[in-house]
Amino acid sequence: GESVGLHLPTLSVQEGDNSIINCAYSNSASDYFIWYKQESGKGPQFIIDIRSNMDKRQGQRVTVLLNKTVKHLSLQIAATQPGDSAVYFCAETPSGNTPLVFGKGTRLSVIA
Amino acid sequence: EPEVTQTPSHQVTQMGQEVILRCVPISNHLYFYWYRQILGQKVEFLVSFYNNEISEKSEIFDDQFSVERPDGSNFTLKIRSTKLEDSAMYFCASSVIRGGTEAFFGQGTRLTVV
Repeated sequence: GESVGLHLPTLSVQEGDNSIINCAYSNSASDYFIWYKQESGKGPQFIIDIRSNMDKRQGQRVTVLLNKTVKHLSLQIAATQPGDSAVYFCAETPSGNTPLVFGKGTRLSVIA
Repeated sequence: EPEVTQTPSHQVTQMGQEVILRCVPISNHLYFYWYRQILGQKVEFLVSFYNNEISEKSEIFDDQFSVERPDGSNFTLKIRSTKLEDSAMYFCASSVIRGGTEAFFGQGTRLTVV
């Protein structure tokens, strides 16, 4: 079946550097994409979302890029901080009215 | 800040026993969800609930699972006869609108079946 997946399972970055976390999706009907952050012992926390009619959306220190041509989603974190260390999941839903389908997750480790 | 709360944080049960996982969604939310995450794996959808009935469920949510909103605040997941493979983190989530967009997740209940 179609699924959402991630290119890299782990990512280590120096504090202050920018981080890029990637995600590939295979469901061409996907309309809505979300990035979640999951810290140890906690549930997924909403970071930022983007709809398929956009290719870029910016939040505070985070930017999500969507490339529908190659079905690729990325999360950019500017000036990565130790508090950014977590597992990051991309998730998609075909219509925004159906349950989320999560990718496997990328662990981001920030080196002080 | 409103949050979804789950109890207990950790539940250990013997195989074959029934367990009930509890959740208190955010008070003005209308849609409720259960997800699970087997250790080291992705978060998987189990079931969504709206207006006192199941609106969607996944293949994982078989006859051993049930959900209930027994009162105006709690939302429960029951597993009738637990199996070893039910061991996972179970997350409750709630949202204002359907589909889980901007769903708020609880901190999870770690279920260990021995």
